[in-house]
Amino acid sequence: KQEVTQIPAALSVPEGENLVLNCSFTDSAIYNLQWFRQDPGKGLTSLLLIQSSQREQTSGRLNASLDKSSGRSTLYIAASQPGDSATYLCAVRIITQGGSEKLVFGKGTKLTVNP
Amino acid sequence: DAGVTQSPTHLIKTRGQHVTLRCSPISGHKSVSWYQQVLGQGPQFIFQYYEKEERGRGNFPDRFSARQFPNYSSELNVNALLLGDSALYLCASSLNMVGVDQETQYFGPGTRLLVL
Repeated sequence: KQEVTQIPAALSVPEGENLVLNCSFTDSAIYNLQWFRQDPGKGLTSLLLIQSSQREQTSGRLNASLDKSSGRSTLYIAASQPGDSATYLCAVRIITQGGSEKLVFGKGTKLTVNP
Repeated sequence: DAGVTQSPTHLIKTRGQHVTLRCSPISGHKSVSWYQQVLGQGPQFIFQYYEKEERGRGNFPDRFSARQFPNYSSELNVNALLLGDSALYLCASSLNMVGVDQETQYFGPGTRLLVL
C-alpha cells in the first residue's frame, strides 16, 4: 500500500529565507508526483508536476526534485514571501490493480512566512 | 476557460440525511475524481469516473455513490450521513484516465460539508 509522508508538519520562517519541504513515498511504482498548495478552506492549486522519468521541475521561485529509487521528493522555495504562507501537499499518482488512477496524498506541511 | 466548478460551496446537514454534491469538469476533460479531505489530513480518494463509467473506488462504505453524466459532469451522493462525514469534498478533472505521464489533475474549490 502506497503511503506518503511529509516532514515537517509545520514550518515558520522569516521573510526572505530559502526553505525545503520534504516528501517521501513507500512504493516507487508511480506515474508522477505533484506538489499542491492549499490556502485555508480552499481547494488545491497545482504547483509542479514531475514525471516519473524526470529528476526535477522549476517554476519561478519553486524547484521540485524527485528521486524515485529512494522514494523522496523535495520542494525548494527561494526567497520566501508572506504570500507563500499556505499548506503544501505532496501527492503521487498511481495506477490501481483495477486499472484506475488515483492520487495518494501526504498530510501536508503548513508553512508560515513572517514579515 | 472556467476551471473545475463545484456546488454548493457549503452545506449543513444532520445525521441520517443524505446529500448530493455536484462537479463540472474543465471543458473537454473526460475524467472526474472525488476526494474527501478531513480537517488536518490530506485528501483521500473516493471515486474515479471516466467516460461515464466508474473506474475506481477508494475505501469508502456503500453509503457513498457517484455518477457521471453525458456532459462529463458528476454527482457524489452520500446517504445516512454520519458526523464523521464532515469534510471538504474535492472534485478533480483530467483530460484522460491513465497512461499519460504529464497528466495533471485540476481541482475545484471543494464543497465543505458539516454534519450535525
